[in-house]
Amino acid sequence: SSELTQDPAVSVALGQTVRITCQGDSLRSYYASWYQQKPGQAPVLVIYGKNNRPSGIPDRFSGSSSGNTASLTITGAQAEDEADYYCNSRDSSGNWVFGGGTKLTVL
Amino acid sequence: QVQLVESGGGLVKPGGSLRLSCAASGFTFSDYYMSWIRQAPGKGLEWVSYISSSSSYTNYADSVKGRFTISRDNAKNSLYLQMNSLRAEDTAVYYCARVIVYDSSGQTTYFDYWGQGTLVTVSS
Repeated sequence: SSELTQDPAVSVALGQTVRITCQGDSLRSYYASWYQQKPGQAPVLVIYGKNNRPSGIPDRFSGSSSGNTASLTITGAQAEDEADYYCNSRDSSGNWVFGGGTKLTVL
Repeated sequence: QVQLVESGGGLVKPGGSLRLSCAASGFTFSDYYMSWIRQAPGKGLEWVSYISSSSSYTNYADSVKGRFTISRDNAKNSLYLQMNSLRAEDTAVYYCARVIVYDSSGQTTYFDYWGQGTLVTVSS
């Protein structure tokens, strides 16, 4: 089965820009979606497709993709952005796969 | 507004069975694929299963194939997950989520709404 690889932890200074990456073969064929999860809460979709934000998601969140790597960028990180972030994509067998998650700390 | 409410979780012994339900409201349930996704305590998200809008297509993660069965009742706006032969490693919060297939190529898919989850604990 396919795998998506994320860095376990990333930190960013308040107001600075941070990029969270996700690598996997499935990303050559399928766009990633990104989810934010805060402790004790269900995940929330923040980016999908080429670079689309659901209603209500701040425009400091953006997505990009190149080859087998998808990226989630937060431009001007805020304290409330501290959370776990998961990438996800469909794979060649028609299933879905999640990355292991990245814990974002805002310093 | 879209709401997904899971129920049916609880404590079950290894080898036992449990049936999870997800009640949907605020959208035309029969128009959407649905999925179950789980999260073991302190761990990441794991996709479990999906079902097409008319129940024609289903699929499962290898870790649950042959033990779990996904189904839906469009008349009742409900999604189900029958879990048999449960193992300790099935202990997790189980979320139901609405699936969006954004384009005809299937290149863009995502889970736009999630329930609050129901905890399944498999332990003797």
